[in-house]
Amino acid sequence: NAGVTQTPKFQVLKTGQSMTLQCAQDMNHNSMYWYRQDPGMGLRLIYYSASEGTTDKGEVPNGYNVSRLNKREFSLRLESAAPSQTSVYFCASSDQGWQYFGPGTRLTVT
Amino acid sequence: GIQVEQSPPDLILQEGANSTLRCNFSDSVNNLQWFHQNPWGQLINLFYIPSGTKQNGRLSATTVATERYSLLYISSSQTTDSGVYFCAVDVVDSGYALNFGKGTSLLVTP
Repeated sequence: NAGVTQTPKFQVLKTGQSMTLQCAQDMNHNSMYWYRQDPGMGLRLIYYSASEGTTDKGEVPNGYNVSRLNKREFSLRLESAAPSQTSVYFCASSDQGWQYFGPGTRLTVT
Repeated sequence: GIQVEQSPPDLILQEGANSTLRCNFSDSVNNLQWFHQNPWGQLINLFYIPSGTKQNGRLSATTVATERYSLLYISSSQTTDSGVYFCAVDVVDSGYALNFGKGTSLLVTP
């Protein structure tokens, strides 16, 4: 039982490049989330998916798109990376209770 | 949106000391969770506590929902307790997405 897994763990991009962060959970949870964490800050919600087939914007959605591929997988795409998107990205899942987090992806945009 | 404020922002303790961390929130909440982010960045669930009191070893938490605050108690602190402690809440009809405080950074010295 791996919980929530994220790939990659680290990534460096140049401004304007695109990439997709992958997230998968094996706990059969309905809801999945993407957050970003900047230095000295708590986590901020980018997008969430309350159930398979639905997605909603969070507090900071600009510059991102998401896909809920199936119940297990929820991906986050940066179409044209900007230095302001340098951050640590966390994926999480829950089933109306505890929210469980993946290990994070540290992304640097130069 | 809901505001989540944590205090103190920083705390230095000697091993063996006790501490109390506070979380205030500005509106009614559906759920409240406490997390520990260890020095490697991993977010560890501590408590799911929308109301009442819970204990887990040297840690305990109390949430008084009617007065919109929660307290995390750490007794007999150890160096492994170092890290950042986050309080996070979700509100009704938000898909259980969490709103985080900025955290309390705790350093326990030998």
